[in-house]
Amino acid sequence: AQSVTQLGSHVSVSEGALVLLRCNYSSSVPPYLFWYVQYPNQGLQLLLKYTSAATLVKGINGFEAEFKKSETSFHLTKPSAHMSDAAEYFCAVESGAGSYQLTFGKGTKLSVIP
Amino acid sequence: DAGVIQSPRHEVTEMGQEVTLRCKPISGHDYLFWYRQTMMRGLELLIYFNNNVPIDDSGMPEDRFSAKMPNASFSTLKIQPSEPRDSAVYFCASRSRAEAFFGQGTRLTVV
Repeated sequence: AQSVTQLGSHVSVSEGALVLLRCNYSSSVPPYLFWYVQYPNQGLQLLLKYTSAATLVKGINGFEAEFKKSETSFHLTKPSAHMSDAAEYFCAVESGAGSYQLTFGKGTKLSVIP
Repeated sequence: DAGVIQSPRHEVTEMGQEVTLRCKPISGHDYLFWYRQTMMRGLELLIYFNNNVPIDDSGMPEDRFSAKMPNASFSTLKIQPSEPRDSAVYFCASRSRAEAFFGQGTRLTVV
């Protein structure tokens, strides 16, 4: 069985500062990993995904994440926060091998301070 | 494509009433998932279908919950009878090989 732990339910950064949202996973098989963003009263939108190709994955809106097997981590970063990045971010794991079933972390709400 | 369409967007009902949530997946997607989102438990997978067949319903909390997918373009999640603890946002997602696309959710309030 797989699981995801997101450290910090709420993160605040200043506009222009580095964004770092942490995600650690547990999986018995090589995982596929995802980051989703949820804006208020909206569904989830895919930011980026790791599917065993390059370990540094670039996504939309300037976000990227690095898969580190030794640390079982998949942290999300953005060099410079923008006000429009304020949202809730979810890390998710899929066990791979075509299971297509996602297990989500509890989410991290990002606030951007002007 | 209009994306995954869920209806209604909001539902307020009295305890004991039957509630039916609806989902129209993206055409051509052969997987459909129902999730429930609450503050306490986050996003929980309730059930998912492959080619209209339920594959895993182990996340359905009780027998009061049931889901159907009569054809590739429609699915329902039914709660009968509803209880206040069922209050949550319910999401439907459909999936291609590449990624899952989520609907905007149905916010259910049971009073």
